[in-house]
Amino acid sequence: AQTVTQSQPEMSVQEAETVTLSCTYDTSESDYYLFWYKQPPSRQMILVIRQEAYKQQNATENRFSVNFQKAAKSFSLKISDSQLGDAAMYFCAYPETSGSRLTFGEGTQLTVNP
Amino acid sequence: GAVVSQHPSWVICKSGTSVKIECRSLDFQATTMFWYRQFPKQSLMLMATSNEGSKATYEQGVEKDKFLINHASLTLSTLTVTSAHPEDSSFYICSARIPGRTSYEQYFGPGTRLTVT
Repeated sequence: AQTVTQSQPEMSVQEAETVTLSCTYDTSESDYYLFWYKQPPSRQMILVIRQEAYKQQNATENRFSVNFQKAAKSFSLKISDSQLGDAAMYFCAYPETSGSRLTFGEGTQLTVNP
Repeated sequence: GAVVSQHPSWVICKSGTSVKIECRSLDFQATTMFWYRQFPKQSLMLMATSNEGSKATYEQGVEKDKFLINHASLTLSTLTVTSAHPEDSSFYICSARIPGRTSYEQYFGPGTRLTVT
C-alpha cells in the first residue's frame, strides 16, 4: 500500500520569507500524480499544486513550487514570499489510480509571523 | 470550475436522532464522491467511496449501518448519520473527482461540523 509521510508537524516562517515543507512517499508505480492541499482555518481543502511523475520539470503555481525527486520519492513544497494568508495546514497527497482514493500525509501546520 | 458544496455547514442534533448531510458537485457530474471524517489537528480519514447508482464502498472499521451513503444522481451524494451519539461529533468533508481526468485530484466541499448532544 502507498504511504505518505510528512515529518514536520509544525513549521513557522516570517512574512515575505521562504519556507519548504517536506513530504516523502512510497509507491511501486512508475507513473502517478502527487498533490499538495492547503486547509486554512475555514477548513476548506484547497488544491495548491499537482505534479505528474513522468514530468521532470518541477511544477510551479505563482509563489508555490515543488521539488520533486522521483528516485528519492520526495515531494517538497516551497512557498516564496510568504503571506499571512498562507497560514494553514498543508497536506501532501497521493492518488491511488486503482480506486482513485487519496492517501494523505499527517499534515504540517504552517504559521506565518508578521 | 470544480466546485463542491455541502449542506448544512453546521448542525447540532440530539443523541439518538439521525442527521443527513448533502454533498453536491455544482459545475460537473461526479460519478464518484468520497466522504471523510476529520478530528482537530489531524489528517482526513476516508470513510467511504460513493459511486453513482451503486452501493458505497466503506473503509474497514466504518459501520455501514450507522453511516448511510446514497449517491442517487451524478451531482448529489448524501451521508446520513443514524442514531447519532456524542462520539459521532466531528467534522465531515465530502469530495468529488472529475470523471475521465487521469490525475485523480479531488475537489472538496467546505465541510460539515456535527455536534451531538
